[in-house]
Amino acid sequence: ILNVEQSPQSLHVQEGDSTNFTCSFPSSNFYALHWYRWETAKSPEALFVMTLNGDEKKKGRISATLNTKEGYSYLYIKGSQPEDSATYLCAFWGVGGGADGLTFGKGTHLIIQP
Amino acid sequence: DAGVTQSPTHLIKTRGQQVTLRCSPKSGHDTVSWYQQALGQGPQFIFQYYEEEERQRGNFPDRFSGHQFPNYSSELNVNALLLGDSALYLCASTNLAFNEQFFGPGTRLTVL
Repeated sequence: ILNVEQSPQSLHVQEGDSTNFTCSFPSSNFYALHWYRWETAKSPEALFVMTLNGDEKKKGRISATLNTKEGYSYLYIKGSQPEDSATYLCAFWGVGGGADGLTFGKGTHLIIQP
Repeated sequence: DAGVTQSPTHLIKTRGQQVTLRCSPKSGHDTVSWYQQALGQGPQFIFQYYEEEERQRGNFPDRFSGHQFPNYSSELNVNALLLGDSALYLCASTNLAFNEQFFGPGTRLTVL
């Protein structure tokens, strides 16, 4: 059974502050790691798909890093805004890639306080 | 592009009944996966359909079955509903060329 862990479970951050959270996943049979942002009553929105050890990806104020050898990824949000409030999910794709299902963590619930 | 669509949005059933949920994938995507998200958990993989056949299956009983149509849309069927089947059911379609998986908004199933 694959284990994908996210920490912290929830996070309250002041508007304007920067924050980061962690996803840990199996270091063997790795194919890709996905990050999603999920607002209530909406579809999960794909943020990043990361495949290579040492990958760093950026989208506006959000960035992510990947370490496949030790099995972790960090998501960073710079200068948090109220619209960043959401649940952030990471998901692991094993060696089967797209022919397999994603294994998700439980998510980090981020609340930005004005 | 409408993205991934699911119907219905919400559904209430009683124990023992059967339910069918529907999904239309993003244009150009031929692979559809279904996930169950129970309260407080991350989404869990149920199964994946490709070329109208079940290609992979997660740890779900045979009460969960599916179908994929020639236009790539898909159905998830759950028989003999249990209270524990109450969850959000998500459909995702895959673009293998870019390692992307796009999700629909989900169907909220409540079993009473």
